[in-house]
Amino acid sequence: KQEVTQIPAALSVPEGENLVLNCSFTDSAIYNLQWFRQDPGKGLTSLLLIQSSQREQTSGRLNASLDKSSGRSTLYIAASQPGDSATYLCAVRHGEGGSEKLVFGKGTKLTVNP
Amino acid sequence: EPEVTQTPSHQVTQMGQEVILRCVPISNHLYFYWYRQILGQKVEFLVSFYNNEISEKSEIFDDQFSVERPDGSNFTLKIRSTKLEDSAMYFCASRLRLEQYFGPGTRLTVT
Repeated sequence: KQEVTQIPAALSVPEGENLVLNCSFTDSAIYNLQWFRQDPGKGLTSLLLIQSSQREQTSGRLNASLDKSSGRSTLYIAASQPGDSATYLCAVRHGEGGSEKLVFGKGTKLTVNP
Repeated sequence: EPEVTQTPSHQVTQMGQEVILRCVPISNHLYFYWYRQILGQKVEFLVSFYNNEISEKSEIFDDQFSVERPDGSNFTLKIRSTKLEDSAMYFCASRLRLEQYFGPGTRLTVT
């Protein structure tokens, strides 16, 4: 059974700092991995999707990497801003059997202090 | 930019009552999902729906749950007889290609 873990559970940084959020998964047979942002009491906003054949994806100040064989992904946020404060979720879609479901980690709660 | 919408944003119901949560997926999407998130816990998959039938469901999605796409735009989740433990945020999602897009959620409170 796929398990997704995110470390740290919470992170507080000063504005302008570069930071890395970590995601690990137990079954490397994934189809793709998605990073989401969740604001308090709100829905999930998709940030980046990495396919199993890719090593990284970039969008603006965000860069996500994937090391499928070791079961790890990182989300790098450059020059953090207070508006980046949110919970960041990692989710994997299994690669075998045509599974549709995303399996989520519990998230990392990020606070960027002005 | 097209987005997934959900109604209502908050639903309060009594234990044993039936509830229907509504979603309007992005218009050209073909795959539809329901997830839930109990307060303080992970987002959990409930069901996926494609070509007018369930393609996958989790252990949570028992006989008390059903889904329907009654017309070309709506996608609904019905809980027949709600329990206290059904209290959660319910998210609808849809996709056309690889990426799943989520709605803002319906907070269901069962009293």
